[in-house]
Amino acid sequence: GENVEQHPSTLSVQEGDSAVIKCTYSDSASNYFPWYKQELGKGPQLIIDIRSNVGEKKDQRIAVTLNKTAKHFSLHITETQPEDSAVYFCAASTGANSKLTFGKGITLSVRP
Amino acid sequence: DSGVTQTPKHLITATGQRVTLRCSPRSGDLSVYWYQQSLDQGLQFLIQYYNGEERAKGNILERFSAQQFPDLHSELNLSSLELGDSALYFCASSVLASGSYNEQFFGPGTRLTVL
Repeated sequence: GENVEQHPSTLSVQEGDSAVIKCTYSDSASNYFPWYKQELGKGPQLIIDIRSNVGEKKDQRIAVTLNKTAKHFSLHITETQPEDSAVYFCAASTGANSKLTFGKGITLSVRP
Repeated sequence: DSGVTQTPKHLITATGQRVTLRCSPRSGDLSVYWYQQSLDQGLQFLIQYYNGEERAKGNILERFSAQQFPDLHSELNLSSLELGDSALYFCASSVLASGSYNEQFFGPGTRLTVL
């Protein structure tokens, strides 16, 4: 089955700096890659996603890139703010049944 | 707010007991997914229902079962509970059964503590 690995496991940045979170996947049939943000005591919130027919997608300060050949995708957050502090999960799906396989998550801390 | 509701928010019970977790999907969504989140295993897919029918199964124990009712709400039943079942249980919903244009939106979760 699919295996999604996420690294690093923690990331600390200064407010205003950029943060990059990387994930790799194993199943070449995967074609949908969402990113979720989870704040303490809340459920995962979908923040951006990308499909395998697209190499990059942007939404304001957030962007995601996908490299199908290398089987990795990355989340880029620019101009980080303290409210960006949370756990971020990447996931992958083949689309056949929409089952999401998640990475272990990364704790992002933005220092004021 | 994702529009997915889950009850109860917290549940404390004893080993050997049975509990039921409830989920109401977003309006218009026909698929419901259940995930378990624990510190050691992360977020794990348990089961998916689409319009009342089981669609996909993941790492769901035989002691666990689920169903989706005609009004599309879903219930996850956990029986013969063990200490290791303590976790956060999330429900997610989507419009479609499958496909790469099938965004999943998560509820706030139910925290289960087995003592």
